Amino acid sequence: AQSVTQLDSHVSVSEGTPVLLRCNYSSSYSPSLFWYVQHPNKGLQLLLKYTSAATLVKGINGFEAEFKKSETSFHLTKPSAHMSDAAEYFCVVSYYNNNDMRFGAGTRLTVKP
Amino acid sequence: DGGITQSPKYLFRKEGQNVTLSCEQNLNHDAMYWYRQDPGQGLRLIYYSQIVNDFQKGDIAEGYSVSREKKESFPLTVTSAQKNPTAFYLCASSTMDRVGAGELFFGEGSRLTVL
Repeated sequence: AQSVTQLDSHVSVSEGTPVLLRCNYSSSYSPSLFWYVQHPNKGLQLLLKYTSAATLVKGINGFEAEFKKSETSFHLTKPSAHMSDAAEYFCVVSYYNNNDMRFGAGTRLTVKP
Repeated sequence: DGGITQSPKYLFRKEGQNVTLSCEQNLNHDAMYWYRQDPGQGLRLIYYSQIVNDFQKGDIAEGYSVSREKKESFPLTVTSAQKNPTAFYLCASSTMDRVGAGELFFGEGSRLTVL
């Protein structure tokens, strides 16, 4: 069965330092991959998505992610963390359509001043 | 503004009671979804609907029911048969005019607590 694994449940960085949130998916056909962000007690917002075009995907708020088929990874990065980036981040994989989306368990990002 | 509205934001229920969570969208999306979120877990799909008067079970449909009488509305009822209903419930919608997966648009959620 398709699945997605977020390798860190919690990541803590200092403001101004790089962010790396890791995501691996189970290998099958070419997937669609997404990163969503959730602030406390809010809904999820799309950061970026990969759908078999360029392997380096740029999203909102300075985030980007690279699709690496050989490693079955889709890690999320940002060069410089901002306090407002503190939130929960979800990696999502789909092989068919919106009805079969699989969410990772989430990574909570803390940004220290 | 276009978006998805969920209500109520917070809801308390006694054991044995049914409760209904409202979800309304004005994005003109065909597809709507209900997810459940528990601490330390990703979202799990309860029900989805791709068209009015039709809906399908997701991964954890037991103890829940839905209806889709209007395109804009997709209410979720948490019945007394749901053994562990305390959770954060998220409604989402999307277009159906593409092949493959696309963006989901989420409401702000409803937090249900069973006393």
